[in-house]
Amino acid sequence: NAGVTQTPKFRVLKTGQSMTLLCAQDMNHEYMYWYRQDPGMGLRLIHYSVGEGTTAKGEVPDGYNVSRLKKQNFLLGLESAAPSQTSVYFCASSPAGTGGLSGANVLTFGAGSRLTVL
Amino acid sequence: SQQGEEDPQALSIQEGENATMNCSYKTSINNLQWYRQNSGRGLVHLILIRSNEREKHSGRLRVTLDTSKKSSSLLITASRAADTASYFCATVLQGAQKLVFGQGTRLTINP
Repeated sequence: NAGVTQTPKFRVLKTGQSMTLLCAQDMNHEYMYWYRQDPGMGLRLIHYSVGEGTTAKGEVPDGYNVSRLKKQNFLLGLESAAPSQTSVYFCASSPAGTGGLSGANVLTFGAGSRLTVL
Repeated sequence: SQQGEEDPQALSIQEGENATMNCSYKTSINNLQWYRQNSGRGLVHLILIRSNEREKHSGRLRVTLDTSKKSSSLLITASRAADTASYFCATVLQGAQKLVFGQGTRLTINP
């Protein structure tokens, strides 16, 4: 059981290049999330999805696009990379939403993708 | 702006001592979660406490929640070197479907 798998683990881009980060989960989770982690900033939500074919903006969505064509995959795209997007990106999934009093709302994280934009 | 703020930002203690980390938040929540992150790794869920609960235990972990003060604490008893990590609190805002993370407490356990 792999859980949440992110590819690639490391990538170096030049300003203006494009790339896609892939997140795959094998737990049949409904919700998926993309966060970025920067020193002193904690984790900030970029985009999330509440089910196949849906996406929604998080706290810091500018400069990113996402797609959830299949339930198990959540793609994060950078159309024109900027140095400000240098960060560690984490994908996560949960069985259901994190609201309410249900216990089925814990996030499982991937190992992260370290992106450097020169 | 961050919903949750951990205190202290960094904590260094001797192995065997207890470690206490605090989290304060700003608005009403549905639940609060604590996660651990080892260096270079993803976050791992530790414990969830609901807004109608005041205390919860899991092994050497004890979490308290005071909704009147909008604060939570994580206590790790009898610390071990393997507890060295960053610890994050995350809150679920009422009516929202996403977690908002604090900046974390970096815990170092010295042998």
